[in-house]
Amino acid sequence: DGGITQSPKYLFRKEGQNVTLSCEQNLNHDAMYWYRQDPGQGLRLIYYSQIVNDFQKGDIAEGYSVSREKKESFPLTVTSAQKNPTAFYLCASSMGTGSNEKLFFGSGTQLSVL
Amino acid sequence: QQQVKQSPQSLIVQKGGISIINCAYENTAFDYFPWYQQFPGKGPALLIAIRPDVSEKKEGRFTISFNKSAKQFSLHIMDSQPGDSATYFCAASRRMGFQKLVFGTGTRLLVSP
Repeated sequence: DGGITQSPKYLFRKEGQNVTLSCEQNLNHDAMYWYRQDPGQGLRLIYYSQIVNDFQKGDIAEGYSVSREKKESFPLTVTSAQKNPTAFYLCASSMGTGSNEKLFFGSGTQLSVL
Repeated sequence: QQQVKQSPQSLIVQKGGISIINCAYENTAFDYFPWYQQFPGKGPALLIAIRPDVSEKKEGRFTISFNKSAKQFSLHIMDSQPGDSATYFCAASRRMGFQKLVFGTGTRLLVSP
């Protein structure tokens, strides 16, 4: 059953702590993305990666970091520099060819601050 | 110029009625306009999409209307059902090159029984 798996579903962060959100896909997609969703706001792009070992900042990258060491995996670290981390985080993937723009999303991780 | 403005923020429709959600954009380079549907606690899923070479696209009860000159597009849900209750996001991107979707702020639709 192909898709995108995000874990954990819920995550709590203490003051000054870095936390990492996992995203794994078995769709053989080249491109992967991280979005942040806040109530009443649209999805805002944090980081994206078109290919393994390469990634670019999105619109709200400050306080976040990513890696793309494997095609299947695109973990997001929310660092202590992110002062307002409480949000619903969505990982997505796409073929990345530009000819098929459909995004496939995971079920999200809700991050809250203790 | 990168924004996509979506309205209304929330919408209540009776079962069997028509739900209409509107979006507007500024960037004339946008040429791909999808709509995503999101149920609570889940990620969005592509519902329907349109490119500007057509003015309307219909898939079942869902229709996108596109007005290129006004830079507006809308989603119509005919015969709305309680199962359609969800948040709907419009989006836009450029087709050529690596696309990055720009999302609207979302519309929470409630279809009352």
